[in-house]
Amino acid sequence: QVQLVQSGAEVKKPGASVKVSCKASGYTFTTYDINWVRQAAGQGLEWMGWMSPKSGDTGYAQKFQGRVTMTRSTSISTAYMELSSLTSEDTAVYYCARNPPNTGNFYDWGQGTLVTVSS
Amino acid sequence: QAVLTQPSSLSASPGASASLTCTLRSGINVGTYNIYWYQQKPGSPPQYLLRYKSDSDKEQGSGVPSRFSGSKDASANAGILLISGLQSEDEADYYCMIWHSNTWVFGGGTKLTVL
Repeated sequence: QVQLVQSGAEVKKPGASVKVSCKASGYTFTTYDINWVRQAAGQGLEWMGWMSPKSGDTGYAQKFQGRVTMTRSTSISTAYMELSSLTSEDTAVYYCARNPPNTGNFYDWGQGTLVTVSS
Repeated sequence: QAVLTQPSSLSASPGASASLTCTLRSGINVGTYNIYWYQQKPGSPPQYLLRYKSDSDKEQGSGVPSRFSGSKDASANAGILLISGLQSEDEADYYCMIWHSNTWVFGGGTKLTVL
C-alpha cells in the first residue's frame, strides 16, 4: 500500500533552518507530485508548495518564496522540504502529500512532522 | 477578503444532512473551478473526500461513502459539500481547496459537530 513516512519532530531556534523528509513507498515515486502543507496548532491548512519528483520542477507559495526549498532523491524515493530563517510563526505540523500532476487530488498524506521554533 | 470563506462551525443531528459551504471571493467565478474537499479528524492528517466541478465532471475519493457529495450554488458563488445521513464519525474539520493564481488555496475550515 502507498505510504508517505515523514521524519521525526524537530526543535529549532529562531533563525535556524529545518529540513523535513518524506519517504514514499508502494508506488512509483516519479509518477506523482509531492506537495507540502502546514498546520499551526488549532489553525487551518496552509499550502507551501509542490515538487515534481520526475523533473525536479517546483512551485512555491508566494509567502514562502526565498525561504523554502523542495528537493528529492529519486534513488531512495524521498522528498525534502527545507525552510530557513525560522521564527516562532513557523511552529506547526508539516505534511507531505502526493497527487497526480496538475490536480488537487492529494490522495495520500504523510503522518506529519511537528516543527517547534523556540529560543 | 479571503479567497475562500467557510463558516467556522456547524452542528447537525445524527441522521440529518449537513451542507457545508465554501464561498469564493467576489470576482472569482465558482463555475470555472474544481472544488476539492478534505476531512480532518483530530490528530490525523487530512483525507481526500472528493472533487467537484459539475455534475458531469466530478470524482469521489476511493472508499468515500456516497453520503458525501459535492455541488455548487452559482447564485452564492459557492461550492457545497453535502453530507447526508450524518453519523457520529463524520464529526471532523472540513476544508475546501481550489487552484487560484498558481497556488493551492485552502478555506479556513468548518468544524462539524454531530450531536
